Amino acid sequence: SQQGEEDPQALSIQEGENATMNCSYKTSINNLQWYRQNSGRGLVHLILIRSNEREKHSGRLRVTLDTSKKSSSLLITASRAADTASYFCATAVGYSSASKIIFGSGTRLSIRP
Amino acid sequence: KAGVTQTPRYLIKTRGQQVTLSCSPISGHRSVSWYQQTPGQGLQFLFEYFSETQRNKGNFPGRFSGRQFSNSRSEMNVSTLELGDSALYLCASSTLGPNNEQFFGPGTRLTVL
Repeated sequence: SQQGEEDPQALSIQEGENATMNCSYKTSINNLQWYRQNSGRGLVHLILIRSNEREKHSGRLRVTLDTSKKSSSLLITASRAADTASYFCATAVGYSSASKIIFGSGTRLSIRP
Repeated sequence: KAGVTQTPRYLIKTRGQQVTLSCSPISGHRSVSWYQQTPGQGLQFLFEYFSETQRNKGNFPGRFSGRQFSNSRSEMNVSTLELGDSALYLCASSTLGPNNEQFFGPGTRLTVL
């Protein structure tokens, strides 16, 4: 089973609205990363949040991490058509740089014009 | 800086054949990781190389193998192809390893007939 499970699996919102995606994981982590993937292409790193951080911002992105609940959320504010993509959380099993990375199942985000 | 490149971009093979995929990381990156992405199983970690050494391996059969050269370029090989090996194979590079920000290539789309 996946280390990271994301919900919702799919999300469709109007341009300008905010989009929130959630990720849950099973084991203790060193950090959690969020990636974006446009249809059938490579992934783009969005943000990394360490286990001792609770919230992190990058432009229109806001990530929270609750290690007690083993969950994270990604908020995209003021969505744009270009935000249409799949979003994945990724967690590392282990604490070294060589840790295995496990990706969540992803959330497909569609922005309606 | 040039991004991560993968060759070929598309490949069609038949069952029983073998295939070699190539990945050139970002200059200066010593860690290269490989992932398989399928609609059914999602994104799965194959293995990671750092300075020509395999540091970690996912749960894939021995038909999947890889190597890294002294210039950090990496190849992965799949022998005795099966229909289920049809997937998008993604390579990612980073300075320290997958537990840090990774930069992904565009992927190689492998179709096994």
